[in-house]
Amino acid sequence: NAGVMQNPRHLVRRRGQEARLRCSPMKGHSHVYWYRQLPEEGLKFMVYLQKENIIDESGMPKERFSAEFPKEGPSILRIQQVVRGDSAAYFCASSPPAQNNSPLHFGNGTRLTVT
Amino acid sequence: AQKITQTQPGMFVQEKEAVTLDCTYDTSDPSYGLFWYKQPSSGEMIFLIYQGSYDQQNATEGRYSLNFQKARKSANLVISASQLGDSAMYFCAMREDITGGGNKLTFGTGTQLKVEL
Repeated sequence: NAGVMQNPRHLVRRRGQEARLRCSPMKGHSHVYWYRQLPEEGLKFMVYLQKENIIDESGMPKERFSAEFPKEGPSILRIQQVVRGDSAAYFCASSPPAQNNSPLHFGNGTRLTVT
Repeated sequence: AQKITQTQPGMFVQEKEAVTLDCTYDTSDPSYGLFWYKQPSSGEMIFLIYQGSYDQQNATEGRYSLNFQKARKSANLVISASQLGDSAMYFCAMREDITGGGNKLTFGTGTQLKVEL
């Protein structure tokens, strides 16, 4: 039973380019969450999605960041016109629906480096 | 707003000894959940243990146990019989119920544990 799959594992972008991070949830999980981890810090919530819906995006920066979870295919976190401050580890997590005591299962993360 | 505090940036423990990693929390919600995750140097986030606010007994998972003291709002992680492979960063997190039935976690700043021979 495959876990949460994220790719790429490492991503290097120059300032001004776009970064696309992909996340495939665990089988049977319809809830996806994106978190960001800046160096030497804990994870910070960015956005929560269900299929074709953004449920909570209170942690997303207002500009340049967007997320989607289409009916088919992985969830995508998109960062436009990246800046050095976007360098971080981005983690995706998934959970089954309507089970509040189930742990979030995280992927291995995508480490974004902006040069 | 929820808040998680981990006051130990770094801890050392001898192999085979037990160690307690501290976590205190603050919330006004009557229903909440507390998680511990391990992040080794390779970077992945590994779920260790969960405690629900209404659970009567402290959670245990193998060598991990959670010392849950609700009145003091603490949820310390106890690792028994430490092994070299336990060296990692450990994060305490609290679940916040949100619209749509999802789990939104607030994380502490972590404790770096080093197990020594």
